[in-house]
Amino acid sequence: DVKVTQSSRYLVKRTGEKVFLECVQDMDHENMFWYRQDPGLGLRLIYFSYDVKMKEKGDIPEGYSVSREKKERFSLILESASTNQTSMYLCASSRRRTSGMETQYFGPGTRLLVL
Amino acid sequence: AQSVTQLDSQVPVFEEAPVELRCNYSSSVSVYLFWYVQYPNQGLQLLLKYLSGSTLVKGINGFEAEFNKSQTSFHLRKPSVHISDTAEYFCAVSDQYGGATNKLIFGTGTLLAVQP
Repeated sequence: DVKVTQSSRYLVKRTGEKVFLECVQDMDHENMFWYRQDPGLGLRLIYFSYDVKMKEKGDIPEGYSVSREKKERFSLILESASTNQTSMYLCASSRRRTSGMETQYFGPGTRLLVL
Repeated sequence: AQSVTQLDSQVPVFEEAPVELRCNYSSSVSVYLFWYVQYPNQGLQLLLKYLSGSTLVKGINGFEAEFNKSQTSFHLRKPSVHISDTAEYFCAVSDQYGGATNKLIFGTGTLLAVQP
């Protein structure tokens, strides 16, 4: 079974803090994704990575950065946390698309509260 | 660009009743379609997907969905729901020419609330 783990289930941070959210997958997937989930808005893509050290912006990258130094690990960084970044953050991974469509596998999520 | 519309934010239903969760999409190219389920305090789990072939797709837990190209819909159905089906359901779309990255566009979700 594919396993995607996220470092914390719940996190409370102060405004202005630098926040690191970690995601690890154990299936040697090339692609990794960070989403945020908000009530009434569904899931929105923040950043994704298709290889080590490679990244692309998603639909809402402002206020975030990412790091992928190893294939299995994809980190989301909030450089200076703000209250409007209070949300559920979901990580996902998939194989590289060669033909057809590869399924995305999700972690359990990190619920971040910024005070 | 693609978009996904889930018009019903919440669907209350009694146990053992049938249910349909609606999903419509917009795209200028051919698409792949997905339904994911999120149980309370968990991540998303793939329920079913349409890639090609038969327009009726069967998934896990007795769910099925039908792809209707002319109506650009991919509604999810179950003939008899259980309390354990209470969860949020997300419809998602990906275009067939999206390169190697499998980007998904999600709808806003439908909360299925099954009552005894």
